[in-house]
Order: sequence, then C-alpha cells, then structure tokens
Amino acid sequence: ETGVTQTPRHLVMGMTNKKSLKCEQHLGHNAMYWYKQSAKKPLELMFVYSLEERVENNSVPSRFSPECPNSSHLFLHLHTLQPEDSALYLCASSPGGIRQEQYFGPGTRLTVT
Amino acid sequence: DAKTTQPPSMDCAEGRAANLPCNHSTISGNEYVYWYRQIHSQGPQYIIHGLKNNETNEMASLIITEDRKSSTLILPHATLRDTAVYYCIVSGSGGSNYKLTFGKGTLLTVNP
Repeated sequence: ETGVTQTPRHLVMGMTNKKSLKCEQHLGHNAMYWYKQSAKKPLELMFVYSLEERVENNSVPSRFSPECPNSSHLFLHLHTLQPEDSALYLCASSPGGIRQEQYFGPGTRLTVT
Repeated sequence: DAKTTQPPSMDCAEGRAANLPCNHSTISGNEYVYWYRQIHSQGPQYIIHGLKNNETNEMASLIITEDRKSSTLILPHATLRDTAVYYCIVSGSGGSNYKLTFGKGTLLTVNP
C-alpha cells in the first residue's frame, strides 16, 4: 500500500532538537490525521484536518505542532520533546464526508534521547 | 461513540476460516462498524465496514446481527500473513464521525 507515505521512517532526536515529520497522501482524500502509538498502548488520535482546516486537537501538548498546507500534505513539527514522546507516529487519510474509512501510512518510529 | 468488546487473542489454523467476534451493544442507529488490522510495527490497515447489511470485499466478510449489537469478521482462508491485531471500531455519530477510537483488539495468530 503506497497511498500514504511518511518520512522519515525512523528518527532519533535530542530533547533540544527541532524536527518535522512529513506525510503525503496520493488518494485524493480530503481529511488527514496524526496518531501516536506508544509501546503496548492503543493508538491515540492527535490531530485531524478536514479540507486543510484543523477540526480536532486532542489535548496534545504544544511541543507538537501540526501543519496542513494542502489536502495532500501533512506535517508534524516537533520541538523540545521529552523521552516519553518516543513512539510510532502514524499518519492517515480518509475520503471525507460520510466515507470515513482511514488509510494509514507506515509510520515514523521516533526516539527521543 | 459506542464501545466495543473483543477477545484478547485467538488462534486459527492456516487455510481455515478465522471468525473474529465483536460486541457493540450500545451502538446507535447511525454508527458504522469498522474493522482494521495491524501487523506488528506497521500502520493499521483498513479491512471493511458496514452499517446494517452484511458486507464482503476481497479481504473479508462482515456479518452484523439484526439487532446490530454484535458483528463477526470472517477471513475465509487464513494465511500466516493474516497474523495481526484486529480492531473492531464503532464510529460515525454526528459531527465527529471521523473519530476512530482504537481499543486493544484481538491478536489473531494463524498457525501452520
């Protein structure tokens, strides 16, 4: 499945670094999502964008900053992260409207040292 | 959104049908049942969804009971590559119909 791509696939960063995760969807979808999956925990929804407008911010700390410049691209800007932010970060997209089946990317494995 | 209950784990022999149950007794009339799976360390994969009627696609079949309080995902001929965590999710109420709340799912192990 190459409909949703994420880069980088692996990232190691220090607590004082600034980095960005990138997601691109090639499915013509209108909605995009960021999820976090920590070890042995269920997926947690972080942010939702519909037609480039943020419609959900699920009580995520401000050290995570999303950006959706167009309906095909989604970024997650990271700064001054904590070791407990180490996790698999997943991007997804969905057609929008009544069609809400979501298609996920492979994820970025983030390690904060 | 309605909550779902799934067994934590199941085993299935390769080549046999895998039937994964899900209870969603508090489902409301406009909520859909979605199934996803996640193979270790990969992103979840959409499988199928339905509202009332049974659904079938190239991956699986979804059987929803008439009262909609439970459903079964059927993988007709399980292979070793079907070993994954399977998530049953109910979603679709009102303005937050994009929300998928992932639980712990069922770990399906397909044995040779």
